[in-house]
Amino acid sequence: GEDVEQSLFLSVREGDSSVINCTYTDSSSTYLYWYKQEPGAGLQLLTYIFSNMDMKQDQRLTVLLNKKDKHLSLRIADTQTGDSAIYFCAEGSGGYNKLIFGAGTRLAVHP
Amino acid sequence: GAVVSQHPSRVICKSGTSVKIECRSLDFQATTMFWYRQFPKKSLMLMATSNEGSKATYEQGVEKDKFLINHASLTLSTLTVTSAHPEDSSFYICSAVLTSGSGYEQYFGPGTRLTVT
Repeated sequence: GEDVEQSLFLSVREGDSSVINCTYTDSSSTYLYWYKQEPGAGLQLLTYIFSNMDMKQDQRLTVLLNKKDKHLSLRIADTQTGDSAIYFCAEGSGGYNKLIFGAGTRLAVHP
Repeated sequence: GAVVSQHPSRVICKSGTSVKIECRSLDFQATTMFWYRQFPKKSLMLMATSNEGSKATYEQGVEKDKFLINHASLTLSTLTVTSAHPEDSSFYICSAVLTSGSGYEQYFGPGTRLTVT
């Protein structure tokens, strides 16, 4: 069945780059998404990538997609304390644009 | 743009009562909305797909008679938790699908924390 996996925790120093990784199983996924969730809040769409793309850059965010290995990553340059949150990877598969989420990676940024 | 709201943000109810949660797309129309449930420190679990003007599609294991969904307009979907019990306490999040020329984007509401006492 469909499955999305992420590492659960990442700790980085302020100013460094963060790389959050995700693997998925459904090769028919059309879109792959990254969402950010701050404590007690809903999910904020950060960026997404269409499956025929290898890379997408948006300001401090870089998404890399290796479709052969079904591996997706999110790189945050110059990580700030405001980036501390849980980051969810999701794949769009099935009807009605249903999303399958990973368990989320908790990013902690320390001085 | 692409703002989704939920009301209420928090609700406490007694066991056996029903609670209605509203999900609204404020600046776009959404034929499709989704309802998710999130347990503490866990990912989102899709409960059901809400389609405007038709019956909702429920995921396996989700009781449709307990979680009533109504999508009466292109900007509003409601989730009613009937005869709530403490195990229904959770964070409920809705999302609305925005279809554009660049693809499908799913925008999420801020969530509703339900506590059943």
